[in-house]
Amino acid sequence: DGGITQSPKYLFRKEGQNVTLSCEQNLNHDAMYWYRQDPGQGLRLIYYSQIVNDFQKGDIAEGYSVSREKKESFPLTVTSAQKNPTAFYLCATQGAGELFFGEGSRLTVL
Amino acid sequence: SQQGEEDPQALSIQEGENATMNCSYKTSINNLQWYRQNSGRGLVHLILIRSNEREKHSGRLRVTLDTSKKSSSLLITASRAADTASYFCATVRSSGGSYIPTFGRGTSLIVHP
Repeated sequence: DGGITQSPKYLFRKEGQNVTLSCEQNLNHDAMYWYRQDPGQGLRLIYYSQIVNDFQKGDIAEGYSVSREKKESFPLTVTSAQKNPTAFYLCATQGAGELFFGEGSRLTVL
Repeated sequence: SQQGEEDPQALSIQEGENATMNCSYKTSINNLQWYRQNSGRGLVHLILIRSNEREKHSGRLRVTLDTSKKSSSLLITASRAADTASYFCATVRSSGGSYIPTFGRGTSLIVHP
């Protein structure tokens, strides 16, 4: 099945812990994106990568980090520096001008 | 920063009626896209309209784009209960060779059977 796989679907974190959200794709797309979604605020861009070994900050990169060592993978780390990390996180790839989304990861800080 | 803003924020209609959602944006764009999101799921691409196009159709969907007014509308005709979802517009700009989609806050559509 072609697509984007995000894991885990649900994640709970204690304050002060770093967590890493996985995003894997087999669509052979170069561009990948991470968005954060909060109720009533739509999607906000965290980081994006147009090619392997290169990535750029989006509008709300503070407290997050990413890597792009392989074309298929674009993991997002939510660090303890992110003050309000509870949110729904969406990974996407871009192909032929449109975005393809994973099913999301819901992070809750306890 | 959120480039596109949808209007209305919420829309409630009966099955069979048409639903119209609007999107306004601020800066020049390469294209504008509409997406649908069912609760707790990822977004699904519906339609893309380029900056040199004025209208596009796909099944029961009709999208218009007015670049002079920096606005777009999405019309869903003969709505069904299964159309209940949130709808987002995404404006796309290119910056230094990068392709950057920016989303609005969305319109929540409820279609009553």
